[in-house]
This record gives sequence, structure tokens and C-alpha cells, in this order.
Amino acid sequence: EAGVAQSPRYKIIEKRQSVAFWCNPISGHATLYWYQQILGQGPKLLIQFQNNGVVDDSQLPKDRFSAERLKGVDSTLKIQPAKLEDSAVYLCASSLERTGVGELFFGEGSRLTVL
Amino acid sequence: AQSVTQLGSHVSVSEGALVLLRCNYSSSVPPYLFWYVQYPNQGLQLLLKYTSAATLVKGINGFEAEFKKSETSFHLTKPSAHMSDAAEYFCAVTLTGGGNKLTFGTGTQLKVEL
Repeated sequence: EAGVAQSPRYKIIEKRQSVAFWCNPISGHATLYWYQQILGQGPKLLIQFQNNGVVDDSQLPKDRFSAERLKGVDSTLKIQPAKLEDSAVYLCASSLERTGVGELFFGEGSRLTVL
Repeated sequence: AQSVTQLGSHVSVSEGALVLLRCNYSSSVPPYLFWYVQYPNQGLQLLLKYTSAATLVKGINGFEAEFKKSETSFHLTKPSAHMSDAAEYFCAVTLTGGGNKLTFGTGTQLKVEL
């Protein structure tokens, strides 16, 4: 079974530039998550999708971050314009269960460096 | 709101020694608790989870954790450390019906020395 795929693995940009990250979850997983992991901290949930609808985006900085999950499969996370403090690893995860307790499957992450 | 606190950002043990990684939780309702492991340049992988069944939970790679309500703890242990256990370990919590919205601790980096 293929895992969660993310790209690009690494990205370096200047502040105020834009960047987009792509995620392909495990086939059949209805729920998709984007987490931000800043160096030295635990992952922080940015947004959660159930199929193509947003379940929780309360911690997403909506003035600069946006995310979509068209057709309930792939997802894209965009940052525009980027700030220095956005330097982090962006982790995508997917799971089968929404209201139950299930296992989250994480991708390898996309490491963003903002200069 | 629920949260977890991991005591010790870095833990070093000798190969063959006991591994003990500490996690305390804060929750107003019975929580579900998890331990995830992250190897360098990889995503997080579930080690084990507590979902209100047995309080002693066994996971992969010989790890186990015990839920202690009286101490609000969910410490991770392994009787004998192996070099391959070197990684970062995250404790996480969610609530019943919380939609798998995990809140992670800050992580503990485990180093295993010869």
C-alpha cells in the first residue's frame, strides 16, 4: 500500500514570495490533515479536511495560508506571502476515521526555509 | 482544552538499558493518548495508542505505555534500548469525538549510546 506522498521535499524561498505544497493521501482515506512542525516543537494542526470539506481551520493563518482539497483526494497548501517564521516542516497526514479513534498516516514532510 | 507535557527534551541511554520517556496530560474529559516516533527525515509513525481499554498498552518495536489516571501520565518504556531506537518521540492527545485532531507535545529526542 502506497503511503502519503508529499512534494516538494525541500523548498527555499525569499520572504514575501509564495510557495505551494502538494499532498496525495493514502487511497480511500477520507480525512486529510496539514500540520506545521517548527524546529524544536511538536506538530501543530493547521487544517483538517473530511473529503473535500473543511472540518477545522481554526489555527490556519488565513491572511497568508490557504488550502484546498479538490475532488476529496489531493490537497494543496499555499503560503503567500511567506514570512521568516513560516520556516518549518509541513506534514500531511491522512486517516480513515473522523469521529472514531484511528491512526494518522504521515508523509515525509516538506521542509520550507524562508530567507 | 487538552494538552500534553513531555518532560525532558533530550534523553540519553546506553544500549541495553531501560528507556523511559515521560508524558503527562491535561484533559477535562477522558482522553485518548498516543505515542508517535519520528526518525530523521521521515514522517511520524504511530507506536501505540490508549483508547480507554487496557491501561497497559503494547506497541511496535517492544515499546509499551501505561495510562495512570491518578498521575495523569502516559509514560513510554522499553526494557532494553537498541541503537535503532534513536529517534524523536512525541506524545499526543485527543478527546473522544475529537475527530482525530491530535495535540502533540514538544517531543523527546532519544539518543542511544554504545
